[in-house]
Amino acid sequence: GNSVTQMEGPVTLSEEAFLTINCTYTATGYPSLFWYVQYPGEGLQLLLKATKADDKGSNKGFEATYRKETTSFHLEKGSVQVSDSAVYFCALSDRPRGGSEKLVFGKGTKLTVNP
Amino acid sequence: DAGVIQSPRHEVTEMGQEVTLRCKPISGHNSLFWYRQTMMRGLELLIYFNNNVPIDDSGMPEDRFSAKMPNASFSTLKIQPSEPRDSAVYFCASSLGASGGVTDTQYFGPGTRLTVL
Repeated sequence: GNSVTQMEGPVTLSEEAFLTINCTYTATGYPSLFWYVQYPGEGLQLLLKATKADDKGSNKGFEATYRKETTSFHLEKGSVQVSDSAVYFCALSDRPRGGSEKLVFGKGTKLTVNP
Repeated sequence: DAGVIQSPRHEVTEMGQEVTLRCKPISGHNSLFWYRQTMMRGLELLIYFNNNVPIDDSGMPEDRFSAKMPNASFSTLKIQPSEPRDSAVYFCASSLGASGGVTDTQYFGPGTRLTVL
C-alpha cells in the first residue's frame, strides 16, 4: 500500500528561524497530500493540502509543494514563532486494491520553537 | 459549532473491563472516523462510517473492538475485554464526506486518553 516517511524529530529552532520538515511518499496513482498539525493536548487540524502534482498548499505562513518527480511534499516556513510548537503529520490518501480510500499518516515530527 | 466532541477525555481502567468511548461529530458531517495514536505505531485508522454505515473496518485490531453509529450524531467505540496494550489516545474525526471518500477535510476531536492497568 501507499506510505509516508517523514523526518524524525524532535526539531528545535529559535524564533524566526527557517523551518523545513521533509516528507516523502510511496504511492501508486496520484494521491492527495496533506499536512496536519497537533497542538499539545488537542486533536489534529488540517494545515494545508495539495491534490495534484505541482500544486502548492499554503496556510498560516506554511507552504508545501506536491513534487511528483521526487515524490516529496516538504513543509516549509520562513520564520517560525513560539506558537508553531506542535507535532506535524504528513499524510496521503490511499486506496488499497479492493479497499476503500483512507488517509495514511506519517509518524509525526515534533517541533519546539524557543524564544 | 462546538466541533467534534469526545468523552471521556481520560479513562483509566483495569485489564478485563469493558471500555466505551463516545463521539459526537460536527452537525451535518456525513463521515466519521475512529483513530488510535500510540508512540510505537503512530496514528492508525480503526474504522470509518459514511452516512452511519461502516465502510472500512480493516483497521480494527481484533474482535475485542467494536464500533457503532446508531445515528448521525453519535458513535461509540467499545473494547471488551480491555488489555494493557490497548492503552493509547483514541481520536474521533468527522468530515462532510459528500462523496463518501476520506479526502474531505477531517476535523478531529480532542481525543480520549485510555490507560488500561
